[in-house]
Amino acid sequence: NAGVMQNPRHLVRRRGQEARLRCSPMKGHSHVYWYRQLPEEGLKFMVYLQKENIIDESGMPKERFSAEFPKEGPSILRIQQVVRGDSAAYFCASSPWTSGTSEQYFGPGTRLTVT
Amino acid sequence: QQQVKQSPQSLIVQKGGISIINCAYENTAFDYFPWYQQFPGKGPALLIAIRPDVSEKKEGRFTISFNKSAKQFSLHIMDSQPGDSATYFCAARWAGGSQGNLIFGKGTKLSVKP
Repeated sequence: NAGVMQNPRHLVRRRGQEARLRCSPMKGHSHVYWYRQLPEEGLKFMVYLQKENIIDESGMPKERFSAEFPKEGPSILRIQQVVRGDSAAYFCASSPWTSGTSEQYFGPGTRLTVT
Repeated sequence: QQQVKQSPQSLIVQKGGISIINCAYENTAFDYFPWYQQFPGKGPALLIAIRPDVSEKKEGRFTISFNKSAKQFSLHIMDSQPGDSATYFCAARWAGGSQGNLIFGKGTKLSVKP
């Protein structure tokens, strides 16, 4: 059973470009979460999605950031007009659709560098 | 207050010793407390988790102790090994939220010396 998959693993963008990060949850998982990790810091929640629905985006910056989890295909975190401060590791986690469970399983992350 | 405070920031332990990492929280609405292990360049891996109706949970060499009245919980690694050298994060889930949204401590970098 494959784990959570993220691609690309490393992404370099110039200031002003767009970054697209992809996440495929574990088989059978329908909940996806995105977190951001700055160097030497813990993970900060960004957004929680189910298929075709954004459930909680309270951790997402109001501008330039968006996320989706379409009916088919991976979840995508999109950052428009990237700035140097967006440089970080972005992790996706997935969870099974079982009432009461909170186990989140993380992917290997995408390390975004903005030059 | 939705914060989880973790200490120490770094920890050096001799092989075979006990590693202890502590976390404290203020929000009594947290209802699930996992610990994650992260190696450099990798994603966090779920290690062990506890709910507040249990005071202790043990899995192999890893034990969580939970003190509900003090709003503290800790991870104990018995017989620590060099392979345990990693960064450990405690986290908490807010029961009032959307059944997601883990709040993480800032991490403890553990180094186990041979």
